[in-house]
Amino acid sequence: AQSVTQLGSHVSVSEGALVLLRCNYSSSVPPYLFWYVQYPNQGLQLLLKYTSAATLVKGINGFEAEFKKSETSFHLTKPSAHMSDAAEYFCAVSESGANSKLTFGKGITLSVRP
Amino acid sequence: DGGITQSPKYLFRKEGQNVTLSCEQNLNHDAMYWYRQDPGQGLRLIYYSQIVNDFQKGDIAEGYSVSREKKESFPLTVTSAQKNPTAFYLCASSGPGFYEQYFGPGTRLTVT
Repeated sequence: AQSVTQLGSHVSVSEGALVLLRCNYSSSVPPYLFWYVQYPNQGLQLLLKYTSAATLVKGINGFEAEFKKSETSFHLTKPSAHMSDAAEYFCAVSESGANSKLTFGKGITLSVRP
Repeated sequence: DGGITQSPKYLFRKEGQNVTLSCEQNLNHDAMYWYRQDPGQGLRLIYYSQIVNDFQKGDIAEGYSVSREKKESFPLTVTSAQKNPTAFYLCASSGPGFYEQYFGPGTRLTVT
């Protein structure tokens, strides 16, 4: 069965600092991996996805993530945090490709200090 | 423009009442999903449907029911059997060749 672990529930960084949000997955087959962002009282917006092409994936708003099979990780990074990045971030995994179920991690809340 | 709509944004009900949450999409997607979100628990799958007139239980289906009579619509009924219905409910859809899911804005249900 597939699963996602997002360690810690809250990360706080200063504006302009590196953002690193960790995601580890468990999957019995090559996975498809996703990062979503959620602003308060809104739905989820896709940041980026890994679907077995390039291991370094670039997304919207300057975010990127690297798929590392040996570490079963898909950590999300952004070189320089902006105040508007404050939100909740979810990592998700799918084993079955298109139109298949996603399993989500518990989410990480990112705070950005001025 | 295309997207997923959920209505209403906020919903209040008394304990013991059934309530139906609406989800409509005009993306021509085959698959639709319902998730429940509670603080610190991420998203948990309630029901999903990959084709009209067919749906499957997710991880937390007890106390919920759905129908899929039209491709565009996937309403969720929260029944009185759901022991703790207060939560944020999210609907999503995905289409042919799409690995990701697209989400609606959500409905916050409060039952007192």
